[in-house]
This record gives sequence, C-alpha cells and structure tokens, in this order.
Amino acid sequence: QLQLQESGPGLVKPSETLSLTCTVSGGSISSSSYYWGWIRQPPGKGLEWIGSIYYSGSTYYNPSLKSRVTISVDTSKNQFSLKLSSVTAADTAVYYCAIRSRSMTGYFHFDYWGQGTLVTVSS
Amino acid sequence: SYELTQLPSVSVSPGQTARITCSGDVLGENYADWYQQKPGQAPELVIYEDSERYPGIPERFSGSTSGNTTTLTISRVLTEDEADYYCLSGDEDNRVFGGGTKLTVL
Repeated sequence: QLQLQESGPGLVKPSETLSLTCTVSGGSISSSSYYWGWIRQPPGKGLEWIGSIYYSGSTYYNPSLKSRVTISVDTSKNQFSLKLSSVTAADTAVYYCAIRSRSMTGYFHFDYWGQGTLVTVSS
Repeated sequence: SYELTQLPSVSVSPGQTARITCSGDVLGENYADWYQQKPGQAPELVIYEDSERYPGIPERFSGSTSGNTTTLTISRVLTEDEADYYCLSGDEDNRVFGGGTKLTVL
C-alpha cells in the first residue's frame, strides 16, 4: 500500500515560487503503471487538477496554470515535485499529491492521495 | 476548457437512495471517476471508469453514465456517507473536477 506525504513551506510570498515535494513510501513509484499528480483545494472550495507526469516523462498541465507549473519526478528518491511560479493570494490552497494507478482496462485513476498541505500566499 | 456541472447539495434521510449527478460534454468521450471527501480529509476514490467500484467500497455505491451525464447512486444511505462528492473526467492534458456536491444525511 503506497503512502504519500507532502512537504514544503506553508507560507510563500506573493510573486515567489511555491515548491512542494511528495515522498512515497510502501513501494517503488518507478513503474509504467503510474502517473504522479498534484491537485489543490482553496479553503472552503472544490478540487482543482493542477497536472500530472507519466513514467515516460510526459507532463500534462491544467491549461489555466500551464505557464506557471512544473511537475518533475525523481524515481531514485521515490519523490515527485511541484513548482508554481509567480504566486498570488489566489494560489492559497491545500495541495494534495496523488498517484494514478492503471486499472485492468488500461485507464488510470487517482487512488493514492497524500493528506494534503496548506500553502498560504501572503507577505 | 471543459466543465463538469454538479448540484451544490443533495439531502436524503438514512435508508433512502441518493443520486448525485455530474454533467458535461467531456463525459461523452471520457470515463468519469467519483471521489468522496469528508471534512479535514483527503479525497478517496469511490467509483472509477463510470461504474467500477474501488476495492473496499460498499456495494451500496454504484455509478452509471448516459450520454453526457454520469450518476453516483448510494443505496440505503448511512449517516457515515455524509460528505462532499466530486466527479472527475477529461483528457490526459485537461482533467477537470466537477464543483462538488455536499450530501447531507438528515
């Protein structure tokens, strides 16, 4: 059973870059059966998909965030990371890392989630 | 950009059936997943690929899709089912969540 844990600063200044890391335990993430992704949730609001990265290195980003987002993976450390540049107060949210696993039919779904970490953008 | 529309809230009494819908053009070409989120917790996968129940999820939970609408059905609702429910669908480069439905068990 994979377990995910987000880490990073809980407070980021406006215009700076938000950086978070997701550390995975309980198994290797180095597999073509996984996508690794990030989702966020502003306080009191709904979920927003930020982006995903596949085993091949292909990245997929929310079009509304694409110009500011970078997701990378370090399989040797069993970690993947999120960078979001030029943040504003609107980027204040709980950030979740998650893994999409391949089903028997070949499709992927988010079935492993971290507990989430609150990042506040404020000076 | 895709959009998925959910009603903000649904209320049912214990033992009744709750139906939570999610609508959007993207559902005509892509599978949908359903996630349950309780206060202060991370979302959990309930249904994937429209109708497949994730391991460990009670048989009371089921999913179906017709046209551009996907429905999560919870039979014999329990108080512990009270939560926010989100649908998710879309292409690999444009995944989108519905706005969420708060299920209240009165």
